[in-house]
Amino acid sequence: EVQLVESGGGLVKPGGSLRLSCAASGITFSSAWMSWVRQAPGKGLEWVGRILSKAGGGTTDYAAPVKGRFTISRDDSQNMVFLQMNSLGTEDTAVYYCITHGTETTFDLWGQGNMVTVSS
Amino acid sequence: EIVMTQSPATLSVSPGERATLSCRASQSVGSNLAWYQQKPGQAPRLLISGASTRATGIPARFSGSGSGTDFTLTISSLQSEDFAVYYCQQYNNWPPMYTFGQGTKLEIK
Repeated sequence: EVQLVESGGGLVKPGGSLRLSCAASGITFSSAWMSWVRQAPGKGLEWVGRILSKAGGGTTDYAAPVKGRFTISRDDSQNMVFLQMNSLGTEDTAVYYCITHGTETTFDLWGQGNMVTVSS
Repeated sequence: EIVMTQSPATLSVSPGERATLSCRASQSVGSNLAWYQQKPGQAPRLLISGASTRATGIPARFSGSGSGTDFTLTISSLQSEDFAVYYCQQYNNWPPMYTFGQGTKLEIK
């Protein structure tokens, strides 16, 4: 079965850090481009960042609100992608989705989402 | 930054009728436009890519059209399971950026 399973969310204080993990199965992970998209409570969708496959250069790109604070990495040997989030603020409170790209332009397979709450 | 604007914010339609959702880009995105459906408590699901290509398993009642700055998602003969929030999304390749519209909530009339 093709699926993405996120873990690592929870409650963190402002200024703190959190690391989300996403385990992929049923796909050729090493060739997959992966993104993270978040959704604040009751709000719309916001792209966070992406990591290309190693064949694609393995590079990362980030949205402006998280650049310099968030880091995406991958471990192809474990079929996993990670989102390291530092200097968290209340504006980062959201459900975070792990996603595979079917093409460069679209988000084809979504995980179930993982809630991150930043609050004192 | 390209801004995506969806209209209307809420659309009330009766089952069996047609729904037409609009998405406008602040500058041309060519055909780099996708549509997603999101039901309460669920992750979004890809419906349409390349402005008009249905994703695998998506029923033929969903169709997309448009190019450049104006796009439309049409759902013919609405089924009960189609009532949800719909998002459009564009991709800009330099700098790499994916932008969503604010969503259209399709509700039962």
